[in-house]
Amino acid sequence: EPEVTQTPSHQVTQMGQEVILRCVPISNHLYFYWYRQILGQKVEFLVSFYNNEISEKSEIFDDQFSVERPDGSNFTLKIRSTKLEDSAMYFCASSEQGISGANVLTFGAGSRLTVL
Amino acid sequence: AQSVTQLGSHVSVSEGALVLLRCNYSSSVPPYLFWYVQYPNQGLQLLLKYTSAATLVKGINGFEAEFKKSETSFHLTKPSAHMSDAAEYFCAVRLTGANNLFFGTGTRLTVIP
Repeated sequence: EPEVTQTPSHQVTQMGQEVILRCVPISNHLYFYWYRQILGQKVEFLVSFYNNEISEKSEIFDDQFSVERPDGSNFTLKIRSTKLEDSAMYFCASSEQGISGANVLTFGAGSRLTVL
Repeated sequence: AQSVTQLGSHVSVSEGALVLLRCNYSSSVPPYLFWYVQYPNQGLQLLLKYTSAATLVKGINGFEAEFKKSETSFHLTKPSAHMSDAAEYFCAVRLTGANNLFFGTGTRLTVIP
């Protein structure tokens, strides 16, 4: 069954460092998303991406965050200068359809970011 | 604004007992509703979804959920809990016209042998 793959599975970084989390969405999917889950809290929407541009973003997704689809397969989340509160599990997701249909999101296994 | 509320951050049931995980949504129009499961150290896996085709939705692993508009609820049930059902369960909502999901705070299910 097609799956969304994320790398790395776990990254430890120092505060202030840049981090790039990588995702390979399902090949025929057109919509891509990043969510995050701070330990013990709910899964929160960060950003959605379609047709090489951000289609929607939450208040969490400030200027420290950026997303990119550098080639035909990867979808990346960059955090420019990490803060302690960025420590979380980051989930990538993709979907085939956009605003039509039930739009099932398929999630990756997540990348755990620990900021020291 | 759309949101979901999951009552009970932690539910414990005995193996073989009924599982009931509660989810209520707030929306002025019937949304699309989903239940996702997260097993330890894994990602989110879709259990089932409500798309207005039928109010009773059957999902994987014997789970089902019933959409009740009058109660704005979408509770998840399973007649008989299995040890392998121990996980975190998330209810999520997506409004028509929106591309993203809004998740509840999750309910951790513990199954007691």
